[in-house]
Amino acid sequence: AQSVTQLDSQVPVFEEAPVELRCNYSSSVSVYLFWYVQYPNQGLQLLLKYLSGSTLVKGINGFEAEFNKSQTSFHLRKPSVHISDTAEYFCAVTRRGAAGNKLTFGGGTRVLVKP
Amino acid sequence: EAQVTQNPRYLITVTGKKLTVTCSQNMNHEYMSWYRQDPGLGLRQIYYSMNVEVTDKGDVPEGYKVSRKEKRNFPLILESPSPNQTSLYFCASSLVSAHSYNEQFFGPGTRLTVL
Repeated sequence: AQSVTQLDSQVPVFEEAPVELRCNYSSSVSVYLFWYVQYPNQGLQLLLKYLSGSTLVKGINGFEAEFNKSQTSFHLRKPSVHISDTAEYFCAVTRRGAAGNKLTFGGGTRVLVKP
Repeated sequence: EAQVTQNPRYLITVTGKKLTVTCSQNMNHEYMSWYRQDPGLGLRQIYYSMNVEVTDKGDVPEGYKVSRKEKRNFPLILESPSPNQTSLYFCASSLVSAHSYNEQFFGPGTRLTVL
């Protein structure tokens, strides 16, 4: 079984400042890793994913994440946030090689960007 | 347009009154899944289906039923809803393959309130 822990439930940040959202996972098997974003009153949108290869993954809207296998982490970063980045962010994993695609999610991190 | 649709998008009901939330996808996906989203808990899988007539429990199946009579549809049934089933529900679908990643597509969500 897999589990995902997002270490911060809320992150307030000023506009144009950098932000880092922390995600740690636990799994006895290899996993794929994901970050999803949910804007207010909307559904889920895939920000980025790590499948294999380079551990630094770039996604949409200027976000990037780094996979660290030894620390079982997949932290999300953006160097300069905008008001429009106000949203809830979810880290998720799925078991590599599984025929089904069950996603295991973290509890979410609410990002509030202040002017 | 490739999409996952859910109906209704919003529903307020009373304890004990049976309801069905429909989910339909037009991508010929084998795998379909239901998740519920609760504050601080992220999304948790309720039920999933690997193909027609093949369904199985996820992490939080109590109080829910599903059926998969057609490939495109995967309704979620609450036979006797209770207030603890008040939540935001997401349907998702994807292709199935054992050795490669298949992106999961999410519906827009159904916000259910049980009084």
